[in-house]
Amino acid sequence: NAGVTQTPKFQVLKTGQSMTLQCAQDMNHEYMSWYRQDPGMGLRLIHYSVGAGITDQGEVPNGYNVSRSTTEDFPLRLLSAAPSQTSVYFCASSYGEGRGSEAFFGQGTRLTVV
Amino acid sequence: GESVGLHLPTLSVQEGDNSIINCAYSNSASDYFIWYKQESGKGPQFIIDIRSNMDKRQGQRVTVLLNKTVKHLSLQIAATQPGDSAVYFCAENHSSASKIIFGSGTRLSIRP
Repeated sequence: NAGVTQTPKFQVLKTGQSMTLQCAQDMNHEYMSWYRQDPGMGLRLIHYSVGAGITDQGEVPNGYNVSRSTTEDFPLRLLSAAPSQTSVYFCASSYGEGRGSEAFFGQGTRLTVV
Repeated sequence: GESVGLHLPTLSVQEGDNSIINCAYSNSASDYFIWYKQESGKGPQFIIDIRSNMDKRQGQRVTVLLNKTVKHLSLQIAATQPGDSAVYFCAENHSSASKIIFGSGTRLSIRP
């Protein structure tokens, strides 16, 4: 199994550009989520989804959009990139309600906004 | 609001000794408390969790203790090895949602 796959691994954007970070999981997990991790910091939740067609905001949602049209995919869109969005982004998936707390993380996307 | 925080940002341990990483939390409504390990350049990896109605849970070389009276969580690693070098995060979530709230992390380094 591939697990959670994130693309791209690295990206440099200019201020104001838009882009989509891709996340796919092949474990048939209900839950998916996006986090950002700044240097020396913990992970902060951006958006999450408890199933196809359902998304909700996390701790730091501003400047990001998500959609969940299929169980497998959960793309994160940056609408107009800002230097403050320079960070490492992690996608995660987990089984779903009542099935434990273990989340599986991708390898991350390192984003630099100049 | 919800918050999960750690007492110490770094911890240095002699190889072979036991490591104890501590964490304070503020949200008493959490269903699970979780420990993740993050190695350099990688995503976090689940280590162990504990339900809120338990006070101790053991895994392979790891033990998690939960003290709800003082809202304190700890991770004990027995016979610490070089491969245990990483940043350790405590986290909490609710079984009714996919939100996991992370603490700021403790970096564990191993002295030979």
